[in-house]
Amino acid sequence: GQQVMQIPQYQHVQEGEDFTTYCNSSTTLSNIQWYKQRPGGHPVFLIQLVKSGEVKKQKRLTFQFGEAKKNSSLHITATQTTDVGTYFCAGIVNSGTYKYIFGTGTRLKVLA
Amino acid sequence: ETGVTQSPTHLIKTRGQQVTLRCSSQSGHNTVSWYQQALGQGPQFIFQYYREEENGRGNFPPRFSGLQFPNYSSELNVNALELDDSALYLCASAGYNEQFFGPGTRLTVL
Repeated sequence: GQQVMQIPQYQHVQEGEDFTTYCNSSTTLSNIQWYKQRPGGHPVFLIQLVKSGEVKKQKRLTFQFGEAKKNSSLHITATQTTDVGTYFCAGIVNSGTYKYIFGTGTRLKVLA
Repeated sequence: ETGVTQSPTHLIKTRGQQVTLRCSSQSGHNTVSWYQQALGQGPQFIFQYYREEENGRGNFPPRFSGLQFPNYSSELNVNALELDDSALYLCASAGYNEQFFGPGTRLTVL
């Protein structure tokens, strides 16, 4: 079936180090969204990418959408302790009906 | 705060029972989606409603059903509860480019 995998599953970094999570879909996506979920919380929207090859930046965060619209990445420069949480990619699958698929998530821990 | 509210916050049911979860969407949003999130996993799409009609569904059996009302609030109904239905149930109201998630309902099935 259709699935979206993220790697790595877990990442521990020292504060100030960079972090990247990769998102790979088994099928073409109409768009890709990224969410952050803190422990015990709910997903919070970060950004949406729509165009093939699109790159967007938000302060220390850089998001990319692959040319084939099947993969994406989120890069955080100089991590801070406030970056702790699980990062999910999510996308709409191109099919006859609306179907939203979330990735498996990458849990980030930042050590001070 | 996203403006999306869910009730109840927590719920305990026994296997075979039925449950109804409720969601109030953010003002002006006519699209709502429901998700099931098991512990340590990503949200799994259950279905989406747009203007009171279901317009998309994930891989969930028919015992998962929903409603959206004229004021765009929504319900998720689950019949014949199973132990594996224990999870956090999230609703999300959709804006143009993003989804706003509510705090979720934690369902425990014993």
